[in-house]
Amino acid sequence: AAGVIQSPRHLIKEKRETATLKCYPIPRHDTVYWYQQGPGQDPQFLISFYEKMQSDKGSIPDRFSAQQFSDYHSELNMSSLELGDSALYFCASSTTQETQYFGPGTRLLVL
Amino acid sequence: GQNIDQPTEMTATEGAIVQINCTYQTSGFNGLFWYQQHAGEAPTFLSYNVLDGLEEKGRFSSFLSRSKGYSYLLLKELQMKDSASYLCAVRAPNYKLSFGAGTTVTVRA
Repeated sequence: AAGVIQSPRHLIKEKRETATLKCYPIPRHDTVYWYQQGPGQDPQFLISFYEKMQSDKGSIPDRFSAQQFSDYHSELNMSSLELGDSALYFCASSTTQETQYFGPGTRLLVL
Repeated sequence: GQNIDQPTEMTATEGAIVQINCTYQTSGFNGLFWYQQHAGEAPTFLSYNVLDGLEEKGRFSSFLSRSKGYSYLLLKELQMKDSASYLCAVRAPNYKLSFGAGTTVTVRA
């Protein structure tokens, strides 16, 4: 069965640079969620989209923005990167009211 | 907000049974999920409870008591590959998931 696809899988950036993470949900899933997971931490909800509209917002810094496109893929844009942004970034997708399935994650390292 | 508690670590022997408890205090409840996560990998869905009672899926079972704010994940016939972190997650009415800190299970031969 098709799963959530994320790209890139690994990303190295320097402080103050920008990064764009992409997420392709499972086909026919209309909701996308973004999570940040620091080392030894549980996933923290950042933001979600339903039918291309932002549906909820969590602990997402103002330096980050995201959107969902007409083909339901989503992009997380991160600017003015800081060392503390180094983490695993997961995207999950679901149909409304159903289970969230997670992608493999993007490991971001900010130097 | 959400307050979700689960033990930090548990150790068990191959072939044994382990029960991971999760207690929660939430401002809204729309289901409880258990995920398995191996280090550096994505959380993998294991089970979902929205009504009280036991849900069984092969070697894994999950129980929920909404009145007590309590759930457990039962892992039977433990295998070495079950060594992982197990995350309890509560879904709010707006479908947002809040995770516990995870329980690291170590299976020994």
